[in-house]
Amino acid sequence: SQKIEQNSEALNIQEGKTATLTCNYTNYSPAYLQWYRQDPGRGPVFLLLIRENEKEKRKERLKVTFDTTLKQSLFHITASQPADSATYLCALPHANNAGNMLTFGGGTRLMVKP
Amino acid sequence: GAVVSQHPSRVICKSGTSVKIECRSLDFQATTMFWYRQFPKQSLMLMATSNEGSKATYEQGVEKDKFLINHASLTLSTLTVTSAHPEDSSFYICSAGQGGNQPQHFGDGTRLSIL
Repeated sequence: SQKIEQNSEALNIQEGKTATLTCNYTNYSPAYLQWYRQDPGRGPVFLLLIRENEKEKRKERLKVTFDTTLKQSLFHITASQPADSATYLCALPHANNAGNMLTFGGGTRLMVKP
Repeated sequence: GAVVSQHPSRVICKSGTSVKIECRSLDFQATTMFWYRQFPKQSLMLMATSNEGSKATYEQGVEKDKFLINHASLTLSTLTVTSAHPEDSSFYICSAGQGGNQPQHFGDGTRLSIL
């Protein structure tokens, strides 16, 4: 079955630095991958989608890469701010997807210190 | 942007009570809605997929008689936790999708605490 792995340990960085989060997957070749942000006690919020034929996608200070050979996506936040502190989830379409069902990784908590 | 409203945000009730959670898509029609459960510091676990006008599809290990789902319209899905017990205490989140590779839009979750 498909498996998605994100670093379960919190990532602590200094304000202004670039945060890089990793999402690895196995037993699957997804057509796309999505990244979400989740704040404590709230539902996830969609950030970016990257398709299998796209190497890189940018949105403001966010950048996502997708390496289908390595089966890995990297999520970067440049010039990080304390307000970027949250848990970031990657999500892939379900292997037997008949709609837009997603399977989520465990998430990585990012802490940006001022 | 697409907005999903989930109500109530928090429920505290006695064991044996049935609890209904509503999920509404406010500005779009959702052909599919999803119900997730999330334990502290863990990821979202899909419980069931709800399609308007048809029976919900439950994930393995999720009791359909325990977690009743009704998707009466393209903008409303409800999850009823029947005869809730302390082990049902969790954070329940719904989302709505528009199909294809479109992102899911999430409600803000319901914190359910069973005493």
